[in-house]
This record gives sequence, C-alpha cells and structure tokens, in this order.
Amino acid sequence: ETGVTQTPRHLVMGMTNKKSLKCEQHLGHNAMYWYKQSAKKPLELMFVYSLEERVENNSVPSRFSPECPNSSHLFLHLHTLQPEDSALYLCASSQEEYTEAFFGQGTRLTVV
Amino acid sequence: KQEVTQIPAALSVPEGENLVLNCSFTDSAIYNLQWFRQDPGKGLTSLLLIQSSQREQTSGRLNASLDKSSGRSTLYIAASQPGDSATYLCAVRPAGRKLIWGLGTSLAVNP
Repeated sequence: ETGVTQTPRHLVMGMTNKKSLKCEQHLGHNAMYWYKQSAKKPLELMFVYSLEERVENNSVPSRFSPECPNSSHLFLHLHTLQPEDSALYLCASSQEEYTEAFFGQGTRLTVV
Repeated sequence: KQEVTQIPAALSVPEGENLVLNCSFTDSAIYNLQWFRQDPGKGLTSLLLIQSSQREQTSGRLNASLDKSSGRSTLYIAASQPGDSATYLCAVRPAGRKLIWGLGTSLAVNP
C-alpha cells in the first residue's frame, strides 16, 4: 500500500466515451503529477500541479484535461481518445515541485 | 539535451547471483539520480536516491553508485532472489527540473 492511490486500476473505454482517472495522495505533499507510460518509451510527464496550480503542460492533446481541486486530489478527464492513448497512466506526488516523487500503482487504460 | 540509457535492456540470471545494472547519462549537471523498481503493470517504487554530492547509497541488498564525471550509475543487487524480478528504471534530475527517464532493465531471476 502506498501513500498515492489511483482509481480505477483498469479501464476500457470506447473512443466516444468520457471517463476520469482519480489520484489521491495521503502524504501531505504540495505537488502532483500525471505521467504516461507506453511500451518501449520512457515515461512521459504530462502535467504538473503545485499548490493546485498547473505549472507544466507538456504539449498534451486537449482530449486529456487535468483537474486539481485541492492538494490531495488530482483527476485526469478523458474524452474522445484514440487507440494510441492506450497506456499505463501514473500519478505521483512530491513534497515540493520537482523533489523526490512517490508513485501510485497506475491505471491501465485501453481505448477500443 | 539530457539522455539516459540503461544497459542491458533485459537480463536473466539464476537465483543467488550478484548482478549489476547500468545507467548512463549524457549531461553531468544533475541534481540527483534515482533508481526505481516496477513490477509488471504496476506503479513505481523508489529504491534509492543519490544526491549529486554523494557517491553511493545502500539499502539492504541494494547498492547504487554515482560517478557524475563519467555520467554513470550502477545498481548492484547482491544474492539475487526470484522476488527481485521486475523492471528497474533509472531517472536523473537536472536542477529544479523534471526527471529524465531511461527505458529500464527487465530483470528475471530464475529459481
């Protein structure tokens, strides 16, 4: 059990669906991150939030929409995804922006 | 541009062997380097973090070394066990910036 919890663990969605990934951290951290992990590629940093404000958006398509309502929760809203968006989506948190990160177990997303 | 390379990409060893995983990076101006473990389809677990001023860190059977000048880090696993089977990822952090990741080494320890 880690201090970062992601739900759901697995998600299958059609290209026209709308779904959301949820991340919750119990570590009292101020920064949270979304990463994408695809086969044969290094981890890709998607978004960074620090004190609930988005501080980095790494050219992520608009079909991915993050939301950080408070420092403990982070969401990734998904709509009209493509099959190539199928991947493991990892959430992480750290005490401050770009300090040691702690990861959740990930959500395995399959777009059909 | 910082790049991180991990060699080998995959490794299979019999139980009980001592083994070394390698990580190299192209820019020595790093703030720290971190080793992670990832079980199939799961999240990442931080194993060891080495600050740029340090030469090594140890945790149980794991020892990680850092040579900034040559752009290398090694993860040494002593007396390997089947439970060590996983993918091991190396990531470097330039000062105040995001982690730069390698592709990982997939380790299989056979009983």
